Amino acid sequence: AQKVTQAQTEISVVEKEDVTLDCVYETRDTTYYLFWYKQPPSGELVFLIRRNSFDEQNEISGRYSWNFQKSTSSFNFTITASQVVDSAVYFCALSEATSEKLVFGKGTKLTVNP
Amino acid sequence: GAGVSQSPSNKVTEKGKDVELRCDPISGHTALYWYRQSLGQGLEFLIYFQGNSAPDKSGLPSDRFSAERTGGSVSTLTIQRTQQEDSAVYLCASSSRGLWGEAFFGQGTRLTVV
Repeated sequence: AQKVTQAQTEISVVEKEDVTLDCVYETRDTTYYLFWYKQPPSGELVFLIRRNSFDEQNEISGRYSWNFQKSTSSFNFTITASQVVDSAVYFCALSEATSEKLVFGKGTKLTVNP
Repeated sequence: GAGVSQSPSNKVTEKGKDVELRCDPISGHTALYWYRQSLGQGLEFLIYFQGNSAPDKSGLPSDRFSAERTGGSVSTLTIQRTQQEDSAVYLCASSSRGLWGEAFFGQGTRLTVV
């Protein structure tokens, strides 16, 4: 069965600090997709990234970077030089290739203080 | 509009009443999802529509919940005989290629059953 665990419920940092959000997943499929979504206070989920299970290359997009390690079933998300606007709830999600369902973790609430 | 539109944005109903929640996906998107977000429960998959295929209803929590998608576009989620535990934010998302593409979420309908 699919499962996503985000062990960090809440994180609070000061602006310009780097912060890493952890995501550990479980799946029996060899083909699957991993996602990160951001949910700002407005409530709308914003897509950040999708990775497939065959692509373990790390990805960098501006201040955001993702580290995918199949050996530890982890897909961690790092924000470099955090800003107040990064304050949001961040969700990691998993979908197996045989299913169109996105299974979400419970989310990590990030607060960036000025 | 350009995004996924959900209505109403807020709904307060009495226990035992039926409610209908509406989702207007992005034009041309063939895939449509309903999720429920409750405090402490994270994001829970409810139902998935893809084109003319039979919907995946595996996430519907009880037979009081049903959904339809007319003409491959607008979708309505109906909850009959509402219960207090149905109180949650109901999120709709659409995608042009199922989970091969990015899923865009609406801002949700906050349902409160009193």
